[in-house]
Amino acid sequence: DAGVTQSPTHLIKTRGQQVTLRCSPKSGHDTVSWYQQALGQGPQFIFQYYEEEERQRGNFPDRFSGHQFPNYSSELNVNALLLGDSALYLCASSSQGGGLNQPQHFGDGTRLSIL
Amino acid sequence: EDQVTQSPEALRLQEGESSSLNCSYTVSGLRGLFWYRQDPGKGPEFLFTLYSAGEEKEKERLKATLTKKESFLHITAPKPEDSATYLCAVQDGGFKTIFGAGTRLFVKA
Repeated sequence: DAGVTQSPTHLIKTRGQQVTLRCSPKSGHDTVSWYQQALGQGPQFIFQYYEEEERQRGNFPDRFSGHQFPNYSSELNVNALLLGDSALYLCASSSQGGGLNQPQHFGDGTRLSIL
Repeated sequence: EDQVTQSPEALRLQEGESSSLNCSYTVSGLRGLFWYRQDPGKGPEFLFTLYSAGEEKEKERLKATLTKKESFLHITAPKPEDSATYLCAVQDGGFKTIFGAGTRLFVKA
């Protein structure tokens, strides 16, 4: 049973560029959340997608956007990249709309480096 | 503002030396408190969910407890393979999950 898969595993971009990260949720999961994790810090919630819509957002600017597809997979897009966007980007999935009793399962992330 | 604080930031133990990690939280409408383990270069791995004060969960050498303001992760007779970063997180009244910065645990043989 495949868990959460993310691609690519590593990415190097320069300031001002745009990037798209991809996530396939664990089989049977319908909810996807994205997190940013800086070195030595805990994951910071970016947003959550359910039924192809963003239903909650953390304190991130509009440069961060996303999408969920009918097969529940998801993309995270970041425009106008800044040096401070360098981090590990984690995708997490859960079942039944991410409600009570549903822990999140994480992928191993995409390491994004901005030069 | 919702907040999760973990202590200590780092903990060094000898193999077999039991200890506890602390997670204190302030959140409106707690829906659940979660503990995760994260190894270097990997995503967090789910350990426990706790929902109400007084609840306890156990898994091998780990035991998690919850009060109204904090949670503890007790590690009994740890082994070197228990070395990792342990993350505490709370789910608010909506769908947002707030993580602490984690406790880095080092267990020496």
